[in-house]
Amino acid sequence: DGGITQSPKYLFRKEGQNVTLSCEQNLNHDAMYWYRQDPGQGLRLIYYSQIVNDFQKGDIAEGYSVSREKKESFPLTVTSAQKNPTAFYLCASSIGRINYGYTFGSGTRLTVV
Amino acid sequence: GESVGLHLPTLSVQEGDNSIINCAYSNSASDYFIWYKQESGKGPQFIIDIRSNMDKRQGQRVTVLLNKTVKHLSLQIAATQPGDSAVYFCAENMAGNKLTFGGGTRVLVKP
Repeated sequence: DGGITQSPKYLFRKEGQNVTLSCEQNLNHDAMYWYRQDPGQGLRLIYYSQIVNDFQKGDIAEGYSVSREKKESFPLTVTSAQKNPTAFYLCASSIGRINYGYTFGSGTRLTVV
Repeated sequence: GESVGLHLPTLSVQEGDNSIINCAYSNSASDYFIWYKQESGKGPQFIIDIRSNMDKRQGQRVTVLLNKTVKHLSLQIAATQPGDSAVYFCAENMAGNKLTFGGGTRVLVKP
């Protein structure tokens, strides 16, 4: 079955640590996205990538970094510069060229301890 | 900046009744709209979409209505069931296949 996989499901980070969230898709989608969701809130765009080796900042990119070395993978690093990283992180992918909506992963819940 | 918004943060519905979730959008150039359903602790799931050249689209128990004149989108759920309890998001595509999401409406189905 084609889909988009996020790991881990739960992640704990100590103050000052960088952590990387994994996102892999086998849908052959060109575009991939990272969103942050705080409790009871909507989705805010962190970074997105329309093609391999290219990505753009979203609305809340500060304190985050990404890479897109392979079409299937779009990892997100939450750096120590992100002062309030506790949130639910969602990865999504889409065909990219045509508006067909996004397929979402099941999310990673990051907690600072 | 321009954004998608929702009128009601929480909607309580009796099981078996119809639900209507509303969404206002501000970008008249948006050409594609989607409704997503998100259950607790899970990623959003696609429900139904509509393009700007349409004003109504029906799926299984769901209907999306688009009123471009007043920039309003609604999702109707027929015969609401307990499994419909979730948060519902509308989203609009403004440019480059990058969706902008509304704040979400929580639907609570009462038995």
